[in-house]
Amino acid sequence: DGGITQSPKYLFRKEGQNVTLSCEQNLNHDAMYWYRQDPGQGLRLIYYSQIVNDFQKGDIAEGYSVSREKKESFPLTVTSAQKNPTAFYLCASSPRTGAYEQYFGPGTRLTVT
Amino acid sequence: GENVEQHPSTLSVQEGDSAVIKCTYSDSASNYFPWYKQELGKGPQLIIDIRSNVGEKKDQRIAVTLNKTAKHFSLHITETQPEDSAVYFCAASSSGGFKTIFGAGTRLFVKA
Repeated sequence: DGGITQSPKYLFRKEGQNVTLSCEQNLNHDAMYWYRQDPGQGLRLIYYSQIVNDFQKGDIAEGYSVSREKKESFPLTVTSAQKNPTAFYLCASSPRTGAYEQYFGPGTRLTVT
Repeated sequence: GENVEQHPSTLSVQEGDSAVIKCTYSDSASNYFPWYKQELGKGPQLIIDIRSNVGEKKDQRIAVTLNKTAKHFSLHITETQPEDSAVYFCAASSSGGFKTIFGAGTRLFVKA
């Protein structure tokens, strides 16, 4: 089965702790993305990666970090510097950046108290 | 910066009626316009897309139209069914670009 997976589906953390969200794809896509979605809101781009060992900040990168050591994997770390981390996080991939369909994972709902 | 405006934010229709969602984009370099459907608690999924060399595309009950001059594109759903209830996002991107710009979403309710 080809697709994109995110784990866990639900994640709970205490304030002040860093947390890492997993994203894996077996679609052989070069490009991967992380989005944040708040209740009733659209998708805001956190980071994107065009190729292994390369990534760029999106519109709301502050308080987040990523790595792209393997083509299949693009983990997102939500650091304690992120002021309002509670949200629904979506990972996506596409063959390349630009004019291509993005394939989304099922999302991780992070709650920080 | 680039922007995609989407209207309405909420749409309620009776089962069997049509639904229309409209988007406007700002970047004239945009040449790919996908539409995504997001069900509650899930990731968005592509339902239809259109490229700038085409004015209209249809797939069963779903159609998309594009007016490049006015920078408008619209999603049309005919004979709506309760399972069409979801949030719909329009988006725009360009071949030479890096980001896809998403609209804010339309929550569609189809009443049985």
